[in-house]
Amino acid sequence: GENVEQHPSTLSVQEGDSAVIKCTYSDSASNYFPWYKQELGKGPQLIIDIRSNVGEKKDQRIAVTLNKTAKHFSLHITETQPEDSAVYFCAAREREASGGGADGLTFGKGTHLIIQP
Amino acid sequence: ETGVTQTPRHLVMGMTNKKSLKCEQHLGHNAMYWYKQSAKKPLELMFVYNFKEQTENNSVPSRFSPECPNSSHLFLHLHTLQPEDSALYLCASSQDPHQETQYFGPGTRLLVL
Repeated sequence: GENVEQHPSTLSVQEGDSAVIKCTYSDSASNYFPWYKQELGKGPQLIIDIRSNVGEKKDQRIAVTLNKTAKHFSLHITETQPEDSAVYFCAAREREASGGGADGLTFGKGTHLIIQP
Repeated sequence: ETGVTQTPRHLVMGMTNKKSLKCEQHLGHNAMYWYKQSAKKPLELMFVYNFKEQTENNSVPSRFSPECPNSSHLFLHLHTLQPEDSALYLCASSQDPHQETQYFGPGTRLLVL
């Protein structure tokens, strides 16, 4: 099955600086890679995702890059703001060609991002 | 709000109790999921339902019993739990199991004494 490793577990950056969170995955058949943000007392919320036919995707201050050969993908947040403080999770999923079963996501352990004022 | 609600938000139970967690989605989705979130561990997929039919059970102990009476409601029945079952239980939904985007509820924080 899929295994997703995420680093670092905690990241502290100054407000206005950039933050980068990295994930690696094991199953070369995985083709969908979402990033979730979880604030205290809430469930994870999708912030950006990327599919294996794309190498980079950007949405305002957030970008994700994917290197299929190396099997790693990264989340980049620029011009960080206090409201970016949260736990961020990467995930990977394989879509089975048969269309059956195994449709859940495999998550990393999460990164606690702290934005220092 | 994501359109996925969970009740109760917090639950404390003894090991001999029986309780149920409820999830409701207002998004018109057909697939629903239960995940377990423990401290310092990745989210763990427990069950997947598609059109009320269970399509996946990730080797979850029988003391967790899911029920999906319709596409909008999902329950997790709990009985004779162990302290190590204490965690945040998250419900999610998607348009169908092959639709990657999943929407999560706020979770139920469970403490087993």
